[in-house]
Amino acid sequence: DVKVTQSSRYLVKRTGEKVFLECVQDMDHENMFWYRQDPGLGLRLIYFSYDVKMKEKGDIPEGYSVSREKKERFSLILESASTNQTSMYLCASRPLGGSSYNEQFFGPGTRLTVL
Amino acid sequence: QQPVQSPQAVILREGEDAVINCSSSKALYSVHWYRQKHGEAPVFLMILLKGGEQMRHEKISASFNEKKQQSSLYLTASQLSYSGTYFCGTETQPKTGQNFVFGPGTRLSVLP
Repeated sequence: DVKVTQSSRYLVKRTGEKVFLECVQDMDHENMFWYRQDPGLGLRLIYFSYDVKMKEKGDIPEGYSVSREKKERFSLILESASTNQTSMYLCASRPLGGSSYNEQFFGPGTRLTVL
Repeated sequence: QQPVQSPQAVILREGEDAVINCSSSKALYSVHWYRQKHGEAPVFLMILLKGGEQMRHEKISASFNEKKQQSSLYLTASQLSYSGTYFCGTETQPKTGQNFVFGPGTRLSVLP
């Protein structure tokens, strides 16, 4: 089974703190994604990576950065957390080929609260 | 641009049918459907490809009207386990990630 893990299920931080959200997948997938999920807005893409050290901005990249130093790990960084970044953050991975190449596999999510 | 989903929410009795629609203003290559149960991660149901056939997952089927850029998800004889939020995701090109966009979701509640 494909497994996507995220470093924390729940996280509470203070305004201005630097926050790291980690995501690891064990299936050698090329593509990895960071989404933000808010009620009524669905899943909005923050950043996407198609290879090690390669990244593309999604729909809402402002206030976020990412790092992909190894194929299996994709990190989301909030340089200076703000209260409007309180949300559920979901990581996903997707292979480029093979029988399941269309499917995105999601991690369990991290619910971040910024006070 | 985010696809539009309708309805926003639907409540059913077990055994009833439902249809969820997803439409886009862009020419689509594919439409994906995911279901997310409360407190869990979204799970892939199926994909509809341009020029492809209607797909099926258990008693859930879907179609893709290329002329209208619209997909419909059909839930037949709903079961309690179908409750959750259904998201469509659209792509305008194959095998890239940046152009993949999820809709806002449709909340489905199936009551006994």
